[in-house]
Amino acid sequence: DADVTQTPRNRITKTGKRIMLECSQTKGHDRMYWYRQDPGLGLRLIYYSFDVKDINKGEISDGYSVSRQAQAKFSLSLESAIPNQTALYFCATSAVTGGGQETQYFGPGTRLLVL
Amino acid sequence: SQKIEQNSEALNIQEGKTATLTCNYTNYSPAYLQWYRQDPGRGPVFLLLIRENEKEKRKERLKVTFDTTLKQSLFHITASQPADSATYLCAPYNQGGKLIFGQGTELSVKP
Repeated sequence: DADVTQTPRNRITKTGKRIMLECSQTKGHDRMYWYRQDPGLGLRLIYYSFDVKDINKGEISDGYSVSRQAQAKFSLSLESAIPNQTALYFCATSAVTGGGQETQYFGPGTRLLVL
Repeated sequence: SQKIEQNSEALNIQEGKTATLTCNYTNYSPAYLQWYRQDPGRGPVFLLLIRENEKEKRKERLKVTFDTTLKQSLFHITASQPADSATYLCAPYNQGGKLIFGQGTELSVKP
């Protein structure tokens, strides 16, 4: 089984609808992240969480909200979807090693289309 | 502001040659830098990490260099194969506690 899973894998929705993307991990990591990826723009950080009680905005958080339900679960919501939120969304997890380094492990992605 | 630049144009090389990808960063001093591979429609996968006090790191056919004076990392794949075709992302570590990803360079290895 995959260490980081995302559901759904594909989603088509209409402008104004509320949707939720879910992420679960079995790696036991404290840190979790949500990114979006658009052609030519690379990965951009939406929100991140260093533990269940710690949630932080990334560079493009407007229009998004998150919930860290447990160490293993981190959900991303689009309260009122708009077409420019059409993108590929990735969840990632990481843990900091004794040397102070972290490596991120990504889920398979959710492809979202907002009509 | 902090900025990462990777070759925006795709790199096309012949099988067996060495591929060299460049990552330049400005306005910060990362304690370490990572390289990831991303295949179409999939999440990035970690390849290598190099610390600021290391000049070079190797793993099988991969080699990474890190020049903190030039603020540059080079990523080399020797004896390249068509299976190496992918997008490669550079990710310097921000002292604010986050990895910052470059846009990536697409590599295409032709048989």
